[in-house]
Amino acid sequence: DQQVKQNSPSLSVQEGRISILNCDYTNSMFDYFLWYKKYPAEGPTFLISISSIKDKNEDGRFTVFLNKSAKHLSLHIVPSQPGDSAVYFCAARGTGNQFYFGTGTSLTVIP
Amino acid sequence: NAGVTQTPKFRVLKTGQSMTLLCAQDMNHEYMYWYRQDPGMGLRLIHYSVGEGTTAKGEVPDGYNVSRLKKQNFLLGLESAAPSQTSVYFCASGRQGGSWGNEQFFGPGTRLTVL
Repeated sequence: DQQVKQNSPSLSVQEGRISILNCDYTNSMFDYFLWYKKYPAEGPTFLISISSIKDKNEDGRFTVFLNKSAKHLSLHIVPSQPGDSAVYFCAARGTGNQFYFGTGTSLTVIP
Repeated sequence: NAGVTQTPKFRVLKTGQSMTLLCAQDMNHEYMYWYRQDPGMGLRLIHYSVGEGTTAKGEVPDGYNVSRLKKQNFLLGLESAAPSQTSVYFCASGRQGGSWGNEQFFGPGTRLTVL
């Protein structure tokens, strides 16, 4: 049973606009959330994270929002650039430092 | 620093054959992980290790064994490969838990096909 869900398999956005990627989770014991970016034939690379005690974390063009009551987090990319085209995975940390990943959202930024 | 490396990059096995995937990290991380990625399933944790000499089961451990004899290496074994184990395997390493620095560093992956 998937504990972390990304319900949008793909997203297309015009260059310069905002990209919003969404993630939902079911386990209220998750205490840390991360976003990873993955290019084809490469391993995922860390993008940004947020602790469960916060509701927002910003790093340059990337902002992650956490809504604990809704068990929902989102990644905002502003402005979107063609180099941002990749698959984005959200992940959550559970007990024993185990991480649970969503199924990924493929973002395409159109020049 | 090489980061996390995986050997081999590609492999084709016949059903019933065995093999070992090797993961090595040079960042002195305590934690190491093996994941598999399948279409529509995301990354699923197979086994992980919280330090040298330790291993623990993840979400999908059946059919796999692991060993962490040295801190920098984490081996994933398939004793009798099955077609259901066709997948891309990723190794990752990370620092000890806490509020920050929980990100994992991933290797480039091993693409395994079992015929």
